[in-house]
Amino acid sequence: EVQLLDSGGGLVQPGGSLRLSCAASGFTFSSSAMSWVRQAPGKGLEWVSAISGRGDRTYYADSVRGRFTISRDNSKNTLYLQMNSLRAEDTAIYYCAKEGPSGGDYFDYWGQGTLVTVSS
Amino acid sequence: DIQMTQSPSTLSASVGDRVTITCRASQSISSWLAWYQQIPGKVPKLLIYKASSLESGVPSRFSGSGSGTEFTLTISSLQPDDFATYYCQQYNSYSLTFGGGTKVEIK
Repeated sequence: EVQLLDSGGGLVQPGGSLRLSCAASGFTFSSSAMSWVRQAPGKGLEWVSAISGRGDRTYYADSVRGRFTISRDNSKNTLYLQMNSLRAEDTAIYYCAKEGPSGGDYFDYWGQGTLVTVSS
Repeated sequence: DIQMTQSPSTLSASVGDRVTITCRASQSISSWLAWYQQIPGKVPKLLIYKASSLESGVPSRFSGSGSGTEFTLTISSLQPDDFATYYCQQYNSYSLTFGGGTKVEIK
């Protein structure tokens, strides 16, 4: 059974940093591209960042490029999102998501989400 | 970036109704489109990928169609569990983008 367990969220002041983690199990992690998707309170879904299975290719939304860094440790089956220079508008539930088996960049499994609140 | 526009933003319907949601892309995305359902407080759930392929375990009352720039999600007979918000997502190119969502409410 595929499981994605998000963690690392919390309350942080504007300008601060936070590192999210996503522990994966139930599939061959190193063969799957992964993404982070966020959802601000009461709002829609926003894709944040993606990384290839081997970790050699990364992609970012314009809204986070230069501030966030996606990475993975395939030996630990874990995905990360390092978030720096956080802003109030980064407040959201952050989901890690596994990309589909046919190589398409859609998401067949999602973590339960971890809440990031940026506020003074 | 490719913009995805869903309509309507809210839809009121009754159990048993046929429901259609539209998603338009700002440029052609071939068939690289997925649909998700999100029940309040829950994680998004994949319904359809590649515009018309039904994800395993998803009831057959859900169907998707379209290509290029215009796509539809149809629920053939709305059930109580289907009252939720639905999102389309293009994966033709990065940045991946979602539509703004369509909330299906009880009439």
